[in-house]
Amino acid sequence: SAVISQKPSRDICQRGTSLTIQCQVDSQVTMMFWYRQQPGQSLTLIATANQGSEATYESGFVIDKFPISRPNLTFSTLTVSNMSPEDSSIYLCSVEGGTEAFFGQGTRLTVV
Amino acid sequence: GNSVTQMEGPVTLSEEAFLTINCTYTATGYPSLFWYVQYPGEGLQLLLKATKADDKGSNKGFEATYRKETTSFHLEKGSVQVSDSAVYFCALAINQFYFGTGTSLTVIP
Repeated sequence: SAVISQKPSRDICQRGTSLTIQCQVDSQVTMMFWYRQQPGQSLTLIATANQGSEATYESGFVIDKFPISRPNLTFSTLTVSNMSPEDSSIYLCSVEGGTEAFFGQGTRLTVV
Repeated sequence: GNSVTQMEGPVTLSEEAFLTINCTYTATGYPSLFWYVQYPGEGLQLLLKATKADDKGSNKGFEATYRKETTSFHLEKGSVQVSDSAVYFCALAINQFYFGTGTSLTVIP
């Protein structure tokens, strides 16, 4: 299993600003995943972050809007840039172990 | 493509009632299937899983059977408790995870 610490747990931000979300895992993992959970909707994969290489973004998500860092095998950050109210969501980081996915507690972002 | 369709909520039940949350999937191969639960203010936690056809996953009184012929993985519990109030997500994994939209369950005393 894996224990994931994610912070901040919530934030209220002004439009046009940026927020960086941190994710710390208690073990070394090759891949870390970032998801967005919009109100009343499912989880949508934003990108996959491998240590030592550029993150791989899913369709509809771009690096300029959601830059990701992966400096080592236990840590990653996701930045939500130039925020608008449409970015209000829960953002989750995740790792996979065996046949299971483990999640952080999420960051509830509200953009005003 | 790969996708998961699950029963829309919200669902409200009385304590000790029987619960079914329907989940069907489409997949290009042979996925593993999961139910995740999200309690208020918390992240997603694995509830149960099944990795091949006819497997039954079970945990905390919840059960789901991997039905390849009907491409389903319905979640059931015989007697729900107030503490089961949460959002339940059906998911499949094949190269990556795909999640359903979630079903909110509220159990009232």
